[in-house]
Parts: sequence; structure tokens; C-alpha cells
Amino acid sequence: GAVVSQHPSWVICKSGTSVKIECRSLDFQATTMFWYRQFPKQSLMLMATSNEGSKATYEQGVEKDKFLINHASLTLSTLTVTSAHPEDSSFYICSVTRDILFNEQFFGPGTRLTVL
Amino acid sequence: RKEVEQDPGPFNVPEGATVAFNCTYSNSASQSFFWYRQDCRKEPKLLMSVYSSGNEDGRFTAQLNRASQYISLLIRDSKLSDSATYLCVVRSRGSQGNLIFGKGTKLSVKP
Repeated sequence: GAVVSQHPSWVICKSGTSVKIECRSLDFQATTMFWYRQFPKQSLMLMATSNEGSKATYEQGVEKDKFLINHASLTLSTLTVTSAHPEDSSFYICSVTRDILFNEQFFGPGTRLTVL
Repeated sequence: RKEVEQDPGPFNVPEGATVAFNCTYSNSASQSFFWYRQDCRKEPKLLMSVYSSGNEDGRFTAQLNRASQYISLLIRDSKLSDSATYLCVVRSRGSQGNLIFGKGTKLSVKP
């Protein structure tokens, strides 16, 4: 069965609105979750590392005020795209890892965001 | 130079063919290596880890050459269901588990 769920699976919104994406670890408690973004025909790019109970760590070039991450529990992390613009349209995927060695990451099914 | 480079393909092969994908990585401190598979509009799924000694899982064989910073994946007896994009992934030492993904190599297996 699925290890990670994401909601919604797709969303279409108007420019300027905010969109919240949820990522849930279904099988185990995850102190660390990762958020990725994938543009068409491009590789997955890590946006941020979400740590339960503390601030997320953002990758260079990712605006923390635009992509708000909340990891309030060991099974839930949320990514909010604030004031979305068409260039934010992408495939957003979260992942969780079971062990401290991070040898395998389990990916959520992804959320396809289209901003009109 | 990109951190992880792959030939984007597509590789179009008949069923039963043997196909090989290559990947190079730029960071010599990279510690762990993986092949993931991604179907169209789906999330990546781990296919196999890659070990220095080389490893095999059924029809799939992965090789790692640390000196050349080169990883390969060999698929024997291709099936229609093998059609997907294969992602070369590395993780660097000391990171929080950050995975660096290649753009992927697209494989299409035809009947």
C-alpha cells in the first residue's frame, strides 16, 4: 500500500491566490520530509527539507516567504504556495524517509499545480 | 557541469532487447547511488540502490565506477512494462539525505 499520500492530486487556481498542499506519512512517523518540484522534462529539484517542530531548510533560490512549509506533526507536512503565479505551475512532490541514513525516500503521488 | 547527467533518450527498443543506461556525477564526495523509475505524470519509485561491487536484481544490473564517477543500469529481456523514465540519483556525504536527480532517460519498449 501507499506509504505517502498527498492532497490534492491536482489543483487549478487563479494568479494571486494561495494553494496548500498536504503530505502525509502513512506507514511511519517521519521527523524529516522533503519537498520537490518538477517542471516538464526537467529533473526533480529539492525545494526544502521539512523538520518536525522546527523551521524548514530551504534550498538556494527557493523563497521561504513564498513557499511556506509547516511540519506540525510527525505524519503531516504542508506546503503553501502563496500568491501563486503561472511560473509556479509545476508538479510538487513530497517524500519521507524511514531511517537516519536516508537510504530510501518514499515519494508521494505528487500534486500538479496549474496557475492561470 | 550538471551534478548528475544522463542521456535523455528516448531509447526505443523491441521486447526482449537488452538496453543500457549511463550516468555521470560531478561530486566526488557522493556517497550513495540509486536508480529510480518514474512513469509519466507519476512519482519516482526506487528501482535499486547501486553498490560499488555491482548488484543485480532479476533482469536489472547496476554498476558503479567511483574512479570515473559513472553509474550504469542494464536491463535484460526488456518487457513492455519497463517503458518509463529512469532516473539516476546520488546523495552526497554529510547531507541531510538530499537526493540529486538526473533528468532521466526515457525508455520505450515496443512489441
